[in-house]
Amino acid sequence: AQSVTQLGSHVSVSEGALVLLRCNYSSSVPPYLFWYVQYPNQGLQLLLKYTSAATLVKGINGFEAEFKKSETSFHLTKPSAHMSDAAEYFCAVSHSLPDMRFGAGTRLTVKP
Amino acid sequence: EAQVTQNPRYLITVTGKKLTVTCSQNMNHEYMSWYRQDPGLGLRQIYYSMNVEVTDKGDVPEGYKVSRKEKRNFPLILESPSPNQTSLYFCASSLSTGLASGRDTQYFGPGTRLTVL
Repeated sequence: AQSVTQLGSHVSVSEGALVLLRCNYSSSVPPYLFWYVQYPNQGLQLLLKYTSAATLVKGINGFEAEFKKSETSFHLTKPSAHMSDAAEYFCAVSHSLPDMRFGAGTRLTVKP
Repeated sequence: EAQVTQNPRYLITVTGKKLTVTCSQNMNHEYMSWYRQDPGLGLRQIYYSMNVEVTDKGDVPEGYKVSRKEKRNFPLILESPSPNQTSLYFCASSLSTGLASGRDTQYFGPGTRLTVL
């Protein structure tokens, strides 16, 4: 069975600081990995997706994530936080639908 | 514009009063699903549908029903809502169940916040 663990339910950074949101997965074979962002009162929007084509995946809004098989991790980073990045972020793992497992989410706060 | 729509966006109801949350997509997607989002638990799948007239239970189906009579619509039905069904509900759709392409993913609706008193 596959699963996802997001470390830290809340992360707070200052504007301009590095954003690091942690995600570890459990899967018997390399899966597809996703990061979604949820802005207030909106649905989930795909930030980026790992499909094994490249271990460093670049997404929208300046975010990227690196797949590390040895660490079973897929952490999300952004070099410089912006106020508009404040949202909830979900990591997800899947091999194919309908089986997609979501983490519990990490709420990112950006301080001015 | 390609989108998944849900109605209503907000609903307050009382225990036992049947309700339906509608979901519609305009992307000709075969696969549709319903999730509930609860604090600290992430998203959990309620039901999904591979195509018209093909539905199956997800991880938390108790107290819910669905139907898929048309490809674009996938309503969620609560026959007798209870307070433990107070939650944020999301409908999602995908072209197919495969995820190999970089653009293969689920597209989510804006959510329906349900409160059952």
